Amino acid sequence: DGGITQSPKYLFRKEGQNVTLSCEQNLNHDAMYWYRQDPGQGLRLIYYSQIVNDFQKGDIAEGYSVSREKKESFPLTVTSAQKNPTAFYLCASSPGQYNSPLHFGNGTRLTVT
Amino acid sequence: SQQGEEDPQALSIQEGENATMNCSYKTSINNLQWYRQNSGRGLVHLILIRSNEREKHSGRLRVTLDTSKKSSSLLITASRAADTASYFCATLPAAGNKLTFGGGTRVLVKP
Repeated sequence: DGGITQSPKYLFRKEGQNVTLSCEQNLNHDAMYWYRQDPGQGLRLIYYSQIVNDFQKGDIAEGYSVSREKKESFPLTVTSAQKNPTAFYLCASSPGQYNSPLHFGNGTRLTVT
Repeated sequence: SQQGEEDPQALSIQEGENATMNCSYKTSINNLQWYRQNSGRGLVHLILIRSNEREKHSGRLRVTLDTSKKSSSLLITASRAADTASYFCATLPAAGNKLTFGGGTRVLVKP
């Protein structure tokens, strides 16, 4: 079955450490996205990539970095510069056309203490 | 600020009843999408409605779009306990390429 895999499901880190969240898709989608969700709230866009080796900042990119070296992979690094990193992180992909719905992974819950 | 705002924020109904939630947005859109999220999981796409469409159906789901009022509604008919989830609207601006999500409506269907 095609889909998006995010790993790990739960991640714990100490303050000041960088951490990388994995996102892999086998849907052959061109576009990939990272969203952040805080408790009881909607999704906010962190970064997105429409094509390999290219990505753009979303609405809340500060303190995060990404890479898109392969079509199927879009890892997100939460750096120590991110002031409130504890959140639920969701990765998504789409075929690339702007009017296509998104396919989501099941998320990674990051807790930083 | 969020483009889409759902109303109500939370909804509690009995199994078999209908559930209606609304989404309002501020700027012209290319399309509006509804997603469902079960607790602790990713979002699942339900319906996409384009700006030139007024109504779409999918099984027990009915979505309407009123571009003059910049609003949309999602109706779930004959609800089931398994419909318990959060429902989000997302808008794609007419001049833009970023989907913007609202804050969601939490629906509880009691058996």
